[in-house]
Amino acid sequence: SAVISQKPSRDICQRGTSLTIQCQVDSQVTMMFWYRQQPGQSLTLIATANQGSEATYESGFVIDKFPISRPNLTFSTLTVSNMSPEDSSIYLCSVELYYGYTFGSGTRLTVV
Amino acid sequence: AQTVTQSQPEMSVQEAETVTLSCTYDTSESNYYLFWYKQPPSRQMILVIRQEAYKQQNATENRFSVNFQKAAKSFSLKISDSQLGDTAMYFCAFMKDTGANSKLTFGKGITLSVRP
Repeated sequence: SAVISQKPSRDICQRGTSLTIQCQVDSQVTMMFWYRQQPGQSLTLIATANQGSEATYESGFVIDKFPISRPNLTFSTLTVSNMSPEDSSIYLCSVELYYGYTFGSGTRLTVV
Repeated sequence: AQTVTQSQPEMSVQEAETVTLSCTYDTSESNYYLFWYKQPPSRQMILVIRQEAYKQQNATENRFSVNFQKAAKSFSLKISDSQLGDTAMYFCAFMKDTGANSKLTFGKGITLSVRP
């Protein structure tokens, strides 16, 4: 099974600043997925990142707010830009394997 | 669009007993995949069990088994011999297909507490 290293594991940020979250996979994968989990809620897909092309964003999420990079088949970053307290959530990256999805350990973001 | 419904927000079970978590879904697809994920307080999402829609046989993984009723669009998870480590949030999830269209749609989740 693939192992995903996600960092940072948590951060407390000032409103108006940006945070970049990194995910490193120990094998090459075509697609990487970024999810947001608001407090006490389910997971919502932010975007799908393919290597060599622009990310595909879900309804309600825009590139200016959540820019994503996918420079190669094992790495991706998600930036949460111009943060507000409403961005306080857990952010998770995920990859699809033949038996299902595996997830990073998540980044708990608190915006103050 | 696919939807996944978990109508029970929380459940509690005595250690060593059996508990069933409910999930229903709505789709017009004939082939798809269903999953149960566990999220303990560590927030790590852990795949518990997977079911392919084309398989009639219910999936089992040790103490975890599903009751997959395709016509009823129902996918419940049974946890036998509950253990304290089973305390977690459980999410039912749907995936339409693999490849370019593959993405997970999650239910709202259910919080399971196992009492000692």
